[in-house]
Amino acid sequence: AQSVTQPDIHITVSEGASLELRCNYSYGATPYLFWYVQSPGQGLQLLLKYFSGDTLVQGIKGFEAEFKRSQSSFNLRKPSVHWSDAAEYFCAVGGGFQKLVFGTGTRLLVSP
Amino acid sequence: GAVVSQHPSRVICKSGTSVKIECRSLDFQATTMFWYRQFPKQSLMLMATSNEGSKATYEQGVEKDKFLINHASLTLSTLTVTSAHPEDSSFYICSVPQGQSSYEQYFGPGTRLTVT
Repeated sequence: AQSVTQPDIHITVSEGASLELRCNYSYGATPYLFWYVQSPGQGLQLLLKYFSGDTLVQGIKGFEAEFKRSQSSFNLRKPSVHWSDAAEYFCAVGGGFQKLVFGTGTRLLVSP
Repeated sequence: GAVVSQHPSRVICKSGTSVKIECRSLDFQATTMFWYRQFPKQSLMLMATSNEGSKATYEQGVEKDKFLINHASLTLSTLTVTSAHPEDSSFYICSVPQGQSSYEQYFGPGTRLTVT
């Protein structure tokens, strides 16, 4: 069965510092991978996605992620974090029949 | 602008009552919609797949008689929580796939249900 692991429950980063959020997946075939962001009490906004092709994908708000098949990873990165990036981040994998399987999320805190 | 809307955004109901949550696809027709449940500080768990014109498909462990799903039109799916209990208090989110076979989904803003 498909699964997604986000090993970091929460991460604190100083404003202006770089960020990397980890995501590992388990899936038998070539995965469809996503990163979503959720602000408190809000729905989810798609940051970026990987379906095929270039393994480094660019997303909105300056985020990027790299698909590494050998490591079953799809880590999210941003070179310089802004205070407005504080939110919950979810990695997800397409699980068949258009379903998405989500990781448990990583809460990003941004310190001044 | 928003592609998917939900109504209400938050609702408080008493134990034993039923509450209906609407999910509307604003920009396009959707034969499939998904309903998720999110407990505080936890991930989204898929509850069911709503299918226009046919029965919903429920995930394992989700009581179909408690969470009634109706997908009566190509732009509207409803989730009714029947005989609500405090443990049903949660954040309910719907989503609409971008296309017929697309994994990319548009998410609604969510509905916060509190059962007292």
